[in-house]
Amino acid sequence: NAGVTQTPKFQVLKTGQSMTLQCAQDMNHEYMSWYRQDPGMGLRLIHYSVGAGITDQGEVPNGYNVSRSTTEDFPLRLLSAAPSQTSVYFCASSYSWENTEAFFGQGTRLTVV
Amino acid sequence: TQLLEQSPQFLSIQEGENLTVYCNSSSVFSSLQWYRQEPGEGPVLLVTVVTGGEVKKLKRLTFQFGDARKDSSLHITAAQPGDTGLYLCAGAGRTYKYIFGTGTRLKVLA
Repeated sequence: NAGVTQTPKFQVLKTGQSMTLQCAQDMNHEYMSWYRQDPGMGLRLIHYSVGAGITDQGEVPNGYNVSRSTTEDFPLRLLSAAPSQTSVYFCASSYSWENTEAFFGQGTRLTVV
Repeated sequence: TQLLEQSPQFLSIQEGENLTVYCNSSSVFSSLQWYRQEPGEGPVLLVTVVTGGEVKKLKRLTFQFGDARKDSSLHITAAQPGDTGLYLCAGAGRTYKYIFGTGTRLKVLA
């Protein structure tokens, strides 16, 4: 079982470049979300989706876009990378947004120089 | 903005000691989850507490949900080096946002 798959695992960007972090899940989960984790910190919610075609902003959405055209995929786009976006990014999926287990991908370590 | 504050932020103890980690909020949560994260990996669920006052045990780990459902605690008895990791509480906030606490980094020395 694949679970939640994130690509790439590592990425280095120059300031101003754009890129898309990919996330796919094969568990037919409705709720998907993106988090960033800075060194030694908890996870901060960037964007989330309660189902295909529905997305909304989390706690730290500036500089990021998302879309949810299918149940399986939830890509995160960095519009114009900045050094402040250097972080580890995690994608998660769950059956619902509450009272259920969130399953995580292995993360993407992004460095913006 | 709903927040989940964890304390302590860091904890370094000797093998065999007991410890308690706290997760506090000014908001009510319908449930809280506790996760453990190891380096280079995503968080993995340990437990979900749903009912105010609920206590759940997972081997040497005891989880409690506050009566008012605004706080939770994780108690580890006789800690072992294998308990080392980042412990995160999480909960479903308002408007479908699933948020995480600030984290407690635990190191258990042999």
